[in-house]
Order: sequence, then structure tokens, then C-alpha cells
Amino acid sequence: EVQLVESGGGLVQPGGSLRLSCAASGFTFSSYWMSWVRRAPGKGLEWLVKINPDGGAKTYADSVEGRFTISRDNAKNSVYLQMYSLRGEDTAVYYCARYRAGAYDYDYWGQGALVTVSS
Amino acid sequence: QSALTQPPSASGSPGQSVTISCTGTSSDVGAYKYVSWYQQHPGKAPKVVIYEVAQRPSGVPDRFSGSKSGNTASLTVSGLQPEDEADYYCCSYAGSTYVFGTGTRVSVL
Repeated sequence: EVQLVESGGGLVQPGGSLRLSCAASGFTFSSYWMSWVRRAPGKGLEWLVKINPDGGAKTYADSVEGRFTISRDNAKNSVYLQMYSLRGEDTAVYYCARYRAGAYDYDYWGQGALVTVSS
Repeated sequence: QSALTQPPSASGSPGQSVTISCTGTSSDVGAYKYVSWYQQHPGKAPKVVIYEVAQRPSGVPDRFSGSKSGNTASLTVSGLQPEDEADYYCCSYAGSTYVFGTGTRVSVL
């Protein structure tokens, strides 16, 4: 069974940093692109970033480029989102999702990690 | 990249049909056949119900169907069931990035 489990969420002050982790199981992690998507309170889903299977190619949304960094460790079946210079508008539930390259969609999602940016 | 435009809400009685529109531009929806739709129940993870405009993943009821014309994609839920009450989001490939829709809350009256 495919599982994606996010961790590392919490309360952080404006300007602070936080790293989210997503542990994958039930599939050959090193063969899949992965992404992070967020949903702010009262708002819709927002696509943030994707990373290719070997970690050498990354694409970011304009809203987070330069502040967020995606990485992965295929030996640990994990993908990470390092977030810097956090702002109130970054408050959201952050989801990791498995990207299905042939279908250009996201077929499995984690349950999400809540990040709250507040003083 | 601006979010794709969806109506905030839609509703129907059990057994009826509801159609949700998703309007983008010639750089996203209009440019590619890679539009997907996601269903999200409160507190749950999103679930894909349509991919590549009109393809249904295994296990998704055939009550869900998708289409596209120009810069607008549509999701139709026929024969509404109580469990279809949820938020729905379209998503389009935009040439290396992706963009989601603003979301539509579907209510089953």
C-alpha cells in the first residue's frame, strides 16, 4: 500500500525557518517525481515545487522560489521541503504528493503537515 | 501564475448532475491535454478523480466525467451521491509548473 507521511510542521515566527519531511513507502520511491502542494486556511490548493527521481531537476512556483528548497534522499525514501524567511501567508497545510509522469497528475497524497507562521 | 477560475460553489439534489467549470489561459488549460481534477473532503487528502482531461483512475465511479473546450475544462458529476459533497479542484500543466483552480464546494442538497 502506498503511503506518504509528512512531519515537521508546527509554529514558527515570521522570518523563521522550518523543514518538512515526507516519508514514502509501498512503492519504488526512487522511480517517481515528487511534489509539495499547500492549502492555506480558507483558500485553495497551491502547487509549490517538484523534484525528479534522482534529485537533479527541481521546478518551483514563483511564490516560493528562492525561499523554499526541495530535496530528497532515495536511500531513506524521503522528500524534504526546507522553508526560509517564512511569512504569515505561508501558514497552510503542506502536502507531499506522488507525481505520475505519464498522466501528469498526482495519484497519491499524504495527510498533510500544518505550518503556522505567527509571532 | 494565476490560479485557474472555478465557481465558488455548486449544488444539486441526490441523483441530479452538477458541472464545474475551470477557466485558464492559452498557456495552461488551452495549451495542454493535462488537466486533472481532485476531490477533497474536510480534513482529508486530495484524491484524483479525473486526469488527462477525461480519463478516470481505477476505482473512481463512472459518474465522474471530464471534458475541455479551448481554455475551459469541466468536471461533471452525474447521479449525485451524498459522499460527493466535497471541495473540487482542477489542475493544469503549465509547461514545467502546475496551477490549481480556485476550488468549488459541491453541496448535495
